[in-house]
Amino acid sequence: KAGVTQTPRYLIKTRGQQVTLSCSPISGHRSVSWYQQTPGQGLQFLFEYFSETQRNKGNFPGRFSGRQFSNSRSEMNVSTLELGDSALYLCASTAVSTDTQYFGPGTRLTVL
Amino acid sequence: AQTVTQSQPEMSVQEAETVTLSCTYDTSESNYYLFWYKQPPSRQMILVIRQEAYKQQNATENRFSVNFQKAAKSFSLKISDSQLGDTAMYFCAFTLIQGAQKLVFGQGTRLTINP
Repeated sequence: KAGVTQTPRYLIKTRGQQVTLSCSPISGHRSVSWYQQTPGQGLQFLFEYFSETQRNKGNFPGRFSGRQFSNSRSEMNVSTLELGDSALYLCASTAVSTDTQYFGPGTRLTVL
Repeated sequence: AQTVTQSQPEMSVQEAETVTLSCTYDTSESNYYLFWYKQPPSRQMILVIRQEAYKQQNATENRFSVNFQKAAKSFSLKISDSQLGDTAMYFCAFTLIQGAQKLVFGQGTRLTINP
């Protein structure tokens, strides 16, 4: 099976812009989770979607949002970008039978 | 709330040696999973090993094994016959069973295998 894919791999934006990141899960996986990784805060949970419904959300401002489509692909959006949003954004899809998350390669976002 | 603590920010060993990475966690739940993930310089997060809390037997995957002590809330990873390719950041992570898929990660241990 193909692994989790994320696009784009790299992004450079300026403060105030918005950005959309995409994640395609492993075939058959219906749960997609998003994480932000920074040197200072480590790995932090953003949100999780299952069957197009957000089941859980981390402690991030409302500028961070997401959605999931009927084919389980997911997008996350960050509006009004701030310098502190510079991070590696990781997406993971879950094998429900084992509650195990498999990660994509990440999207490196740089905000200037 | 669940927390995961990795007390060793960095470790370094010689190739072929055995190394043990420590992890402790805190939860009031009794059913959960624990994981070790590695993140090499490519930044790809790779699953190393998985442990179900309701199983007393420690998980093993080739050269990787865990020492799971539920009462002590301890979950260490042992790497035997270490190889240069094992050089990476290692993260311990926790998730509840059958809940929303939210992993709680430790701060990570940077492991360097020296030739």
